[in-house]
Amino acid sequence: QVQLQQSGPGLVKASQTLSVTCAISGDTVSSNTASWTWIRQSPSRGLEWLGRTYYRSQWFSESAVSVRGRLTISADTSKNLVSLQLTSVTPDDTAIYFCARAKARRGTYYFDSWGQGTLVTVSS
Amino acid sequence: SYVLTQPPSVSVAPGKTATITCGGNNIGSKNVHWYQQKPGQAPVLVIYYDTDRPSGIPERFSGSNPGNTATLTISRVEAGDEADYYCQVWDSSSDHYVFGPGTKVTVL
Repeated sequence: QVQLQQSGPGLVKASQTLSVTCAISGDTVSSNTASWTWIRQSPSRGLEWLGRTYYRSQWFSESAVSVRGRLTISADTSKNLVSLQLTSVTPDDTAIYFCARAKARRGTYYFDSWGQGTLVTVSS
Repeated sequence: SYVLTQPPSVSVAPGKTATITCGGNNIGSKNVHWYQQKPGQAPVLVIYYDTDRPSGIPERFSGSNPGNTATLTISRVEAGDEADYYCQVWDSSSDHYVFGPGTKVTVL
């Protein structure tokens, strides 16, 4: 059974960098059949997909338009974890951040395992 | 970008059936996935590929996506089904995953 354990500071100052890590057990970050995704949730935005990383003979990363240029998702194979970094944050980035595993049996991906969520507050 | 619509709330008596809709342009051509989220918890996948149910999800949960609207149906509703429910698709035009705004199911 896949478990995703998140960690990271709950308070970040505006203009600084938000960082959250997601430790994976029960699967490997370099799996050829999964992608590792970050999603956030706030009252104003609802559930918002931020980006993903995945390994298919080489590493790929993609990010949502809303955070493109500020978001970095990286994988650490030695520690089997995936990390999110969001730079130049503003109070609008205040949200619960989730990591999730995306899988596909046919067609498009769905999120079958989620981390517990990390509430990050951006103070002005 | 692709937009999904859901009713904000659905109320249902215990033992009855709750129906939650998810609308979007030509949604019948997309794979729709559904998640249940209880307060303070992460979402849990309850239906994927319109109709498939992950292991551990009761048979009372079912889905359909015949064309204009995708539907999540909860039969014989129990108090423990009270939660927010979200639909989700992949928008190929923007290469983004998209979630619906969520429906709060209240068990009377």
